[in-house]
Amino acid sequence: AQTVTQSQPEMSVQEAETVTLSCTYDTSESDYYLFWYKQPPSRQMILVIRQEAYKQQNATENRFSVNFQKAAKSFSLKISDSQLGDAAMYFCALGGGSEKLVFGKGTKLTVNP
Amino acid sequence: DAGVIQSPRHEVTEMGQEVTLRCKPISGHNSLFWYRQTMMRGLELLIYFNNNVPIDDSGMPEDRFSAKMPNASFSTLKIQPSEPRDSAVYFCASSYSGRAREQYFGPGTRLTVT
Repeated sequence: AQTVTQSQPEMSVQEAETVTLSCTYDTSESDYYLFWYKQPPSRQMILVIRQEAYKQQNATENRFSVNFQKAAKSFSLKISDSQLGDAAMYFCALGGGSEKLVFGKGTKLTVNP
Repeated sequence: DAGVIQSPRHEVTEMGQEVTLRCKPISGHNSLFWYRQTMMRGLELLIYFNNNVPIDDSGMPEDRFSAKMPNASFSTLKIQPSEPRDSAVYFCASSYSGRAREQYFGPGTRLTVT
């Protein structure tokens, strides 16, 4: 069975600062994918970033980057230069072996002005 | 391109009534997923289709829930009869059944059963 664990129910960051959200996972698949989704108060689920397990290079999308540690089964999200619009729930998700994604419980990020 | 379209955005109904939620996936996507999100249980996968065929319905809570995908551009999730514990946000998501497998979500339907 695949599992995703987000150990930080809530995090806060000052505007313009950097914050890292943690995610660990477990899978027996050798070919899998990891994602971070953002859910702002509007409740729309928005794909933030994607990482394929076979790629050693960490994915980056503008101010969002990941630290993918395959051996440790860790997939953290770093948000640089945090903005008020980054305030949201962030979900880590794991896919592989089938079409399904397994989601973590989420981390609520607050951005303080 | 239009994203995943869901209707209605909000639904309020009385216990015992039939509820039908609708979804139009992104054109060209051949996998469709129905999720339910609550504070207590988080995001749960109810059922997913590939090429209009139900592949895994193990998340459907009980016989009151049913889902159909009559063609590649339309799916419904029906609850009959509805109960207060069905109150949740229901999401539809679609993906292209390829290696990337990221799913794109609709805006969700907030269902309230009184």
